[in-house]
Amino acid sequence: DAKTTQPPSMDCAEGRAANLPCNHSTISGNEYVYWYRQIHSQGPQYIIHGLKNNETNEMASLIITEDRKSSTLILPHATLRDTAVYYCIVSKYGGSQGNLIFGKGTKLSVKP
Amino acid sequence: NAGVMQNPRHLVRRRGQEARLRCSPMKGHSHVYWYRQLPEEGLKFMVYLQKENIIDESGMPKERFSAEFPKEGPSILRIQQVVRGDSAAYFCASSPTRGGGNTEAFFGQGTRLTVV
Repeated sequence: DAKTTQPPSMDCAEGRAANLPCNHSTISGNEYVYWYRQIHSQGPQYIIHGLKNNETNEMASLIITEDRKSSTLILPHATLRDTAVYYCIVSKYGGSQGNLIFGKGTKLSVKP
Repeated sequence: NAGVMQNPRHLVRRRGQEARLRCSPMKGHSHVYWYRQLPEEGLKFMVYLQKENIIDESGMPKERFSAEFPKEGPSILRIQQVVRGDSAAYFCASSPTRGGGNTEAFFGQGTRLTVV
């Protein structure tokens, strides 16, 4: 079973920030928080990951709470192409040793 | 640098036939992973391979399924005597290294298997 909890769906207006929450209360000290997304049944796409510090890249920002029990993925200016299922995954390896545990994710719908 | 290449993209098989799914990892990647996604479900890990070795097959069904990653050529996921329940999208991923905590996996576009 997935070690994360995410809302099943969210809506966001185009151009606005999309904030996707994730709870991972049983995360271990050596586990990272990874985010992937899957656009319309394509292969999953890596977005960002972090251990305990907030992270930012060209796609998104990741905010991890101080106790590391939850995190938020932020898409600063959502576009229609960001409509996808977003998966929050805790992993020691992020995919480089296989066995990523995908839950049901959050289906984000960006609306014009 | 081409991404992870999977073929065929779509495969239709009759019950009882064999299905062969191919995956060429990204250049420089020596680790391959196979995942299965049933309709409306998340991806489920099946197997992790390095060249000529199976590292973790804990997600593989015990019968009819096998995987290989030979020294030369693509990784192959083989399903013998397919049944309707095997209909799913099969995704391959690759990565360049095993160690460390900051290496993501790169996924192909998947093979959609339909068993009729």
